[in-house]
Amino acid sequence: QKEVEQDPGPLSVPEGAIVSLNCTYSNSAFQYFMWYRQYSRKGPELLMYTYSSGNKEDGRFTAQVDKSSKYISLFIRDSQPSDSATYLCAMRGNEKLTFGTGTRLTIIP
Amino acid sequence: ETGVTQTPRHLVMGMTNKKSLKCEQHLGHNAMYWYKQSAKKPLELMFVYNFKEQTENNSVPSRFSPECPNSSHLFLHLHTLQPEDSALYLCASSHGGHTGELFFGEGSRLTVL
Repeated sequence: QKEVEQDPGPLSVPEGAIVSLNCTYSNSAFQYFMWYRQYSRKGPELLMYTYSSGNKEDGRFTAQVDKSSKYISLFIRDSQPSDSATYLCAMRGNEKLTFGTGTRLTIIP
Repeated sequence: ETGVTQTPRHLVMGMTNKKSLKCEQHLGHNAMYWYKQSAKKPLELMFVYNFKEQTENNSVPSRFSPECPNSSHLFLHLHTLQPEDSALYLCASSHGGHTGELFFGEGSRLTVL
């Protein structure tokens, strides 16, 4: 079983829709959870960083962590074509950072 | 220049060539990383340097040789690579070792013929 599971997509949604991106994990030592966004031909950039269960909001983006279910989500409200990118979840315990495979998202105008 | 800069952006090499990838960070960070990104696979950590000292080598074949002359520069020397080494090689930096808050460069796309 992989430590981090992420549906690679691709996922296509119409502009303005709410997008839900998810990752599950098996290592209960993970305490810190991140979402990175990677545009085509670019490196990943950190989008959200959380370290507790619950929700964290930043503009149109909400990161949700459920440690009891070992499940994290990223919600994008009022999605825009500029949100089209690959979204990678990442998490760590006391040591190395572990990434998901990334979900490729396309927002259709 | 700001952020993390990688050169070259694209590289094509034969299996017998020797080439190097270069990374420079202008963020004042003390940790630098090499990652390999292949299609449909998670980012694979290759090497970690903290204050110029290698702190992690993730069982990377010896045909990849890192060099970190100072906290701002990182190289990846490539020698006798295999076609399966074709990938996007990403350099990243952070304030400390493995906080999770990584700042990535745009990557060097390597094709091995």
